[in-house]
Amino acid sequence: DAKTTQPTSMDCAEGRAANLPCNHSTISGNEYVYWYRQIHSQGPQYIIHGLKNNETNEMASLIITEDRKSSTLILPHATLRDTAVYYCIVKLDAGNMLTFGGGTRLMVKP
Amino acid sequence: NAGVTQTPKFQVLKTGQSMTLQCAQDMNHNSMYWYRQDPGMGLRLIYYSASEGTTDKGEVPNGYNVSRLNKREFSLRLESAAPSQTSVYFCASTILAGGSYNEQFFGPGTRLTVL
Repeated sequence: DAKTTQPTSMDCAEGRAANLPCNHSTISGNEYVYWYRQIHSQGPQYIIHGLKNNETNEMASLIITEDRKSSTLILPHATLRDTAVYYCIVKLDAGNMLTFGGGTRLMVKP
Repeated sequence: NAGVTQTPKFQVLKTGQSMTLQCAQDMNHNSMYWYRQDPGMGLRLIYYSASEGTTDKGEVPNGYNVSRLNKREFSLRLESAAPSQTSVYFCASTILAGGSYNEQFFGPGTRLTVL
């Protein structure tokens, strides 16, 4: 599976959009981009995933560049409860394993 | 639905002791996973079971054994605990390994300290 690079930490003001970047320059054509988050001491929680097209659900939007070498997770109106570590994971369609890197620690501030 | 449950929540062991971590899911999922998370690190896969009756090694299997008891339950055993196994252990499940939609649901974790 392709390796990902994320900033170690980011801050965001409450109510503003949080934009979390992820680089995956070695991604191959059949690999998906997944995002999970882990709120302090809890198990990770699935957020969203995509292959080529931009995706949106009730939690977030995922923007994938045309060359698929990077993506951005967008939380449109961040709240204090969105403070967490966010993991960008690239995974084969048929693969079993999620490989978690260091993630981005997002701090949402009042 | 309780989702994925894990027992115990906390455990302290002495070096050389053995114990089994229990995991159960009530979502009728086929695939189950065991991860460990060391302080400040991401999760690493220990073992997984793609379906009932099968188990496979993940990234860090040494020092562990697993049993897929039935479709609902997947246990992780430490035969002779070592301080390096001090970690938080997460169990996860998904409907079916592989496929384009493979959301994994995680349990609350077991915090293990080996002295």
